[in-house]
Amino acid sequence: GNSVTQMEGPVTLSEEAFLTINCTYTATGYPSLFWYVQYPGEGLQLLLKATKADDKGSNKGFEATYRKETTSFHLEKGSVQVSDSAVYFCALSDLGNNDMRFGAGTRLTVKP
Amino acid sequence: DTEVTQTPKHLVMGMTNKKSLKCEQHMGHRAMYWYKQKAKKPPELMFVYSYEKLSINESVPSRFSPECPNSSLLNLHLHALQPEDSALYLCASSQLQGGKETQYFGPGTRLLVL
Repeated sequence: GNSVTQMEGPVTLSEEAFLTINCTYTATGYPSLFWYVQYPGEGLQLLLKATKADDKGSNKGFEATYRKETTSFHLEKGSVQVSDSAVYFCALSDLGNNDMRFGAGTRLTVKP
Repeated sequence: DTEVTQTPKHLVMGMTNKKSLKCEQHMGHRAMYWYKQKAKKPPELMFVYSYEKLSINESVPSRFSPECPNSSLLNLHLHALQPEDSALYLCASSQLQGGKETQYFGPGTRLLVL
């Protein structure tokens, strides 16, 4: 079945540091891939998405590229801010399925 | 507009109470979802409605009863819950295109069962 694996947290960075959160997936088809962010006490917000191989999703300085050859969708940001502190979930959805598969989540803390 | 609204934001209930959670979207989405999220865990799918009909029930106990009265509204009726049901309950919606759709989430209802 489909599944998502993302790097274990927590991740602690200083402000303006470079961020990478790794995400790999297993899927029988060609899924859509997503990154969601959850700020403390809130629901999930769509951060970015990609629907086919080599697509790059981007939003608010975050980027992720759909790599079919490595089955990966790593999240990157060149310079993190304290306001980026949150939990980040990688997820996929695929044809014929209504359910979305989530990774375990990675907690990011950015210190000033 | 990609807004999904949920009420109430917080709910405290006893094990003998009956309460309902409400979710609403006006994006014309024909799929709606309930998820349960425990602390430090990803959301777990509970129910899926497609065209106002229940299409997925992930073996959820009968003390949770979903209802989809129309294409914009989704309810979750709660009765005789247990303390372990305390969690964040998230509603989501998406278009229906055979899969791969983006799900948009509401802010959640934080439930505490005493």
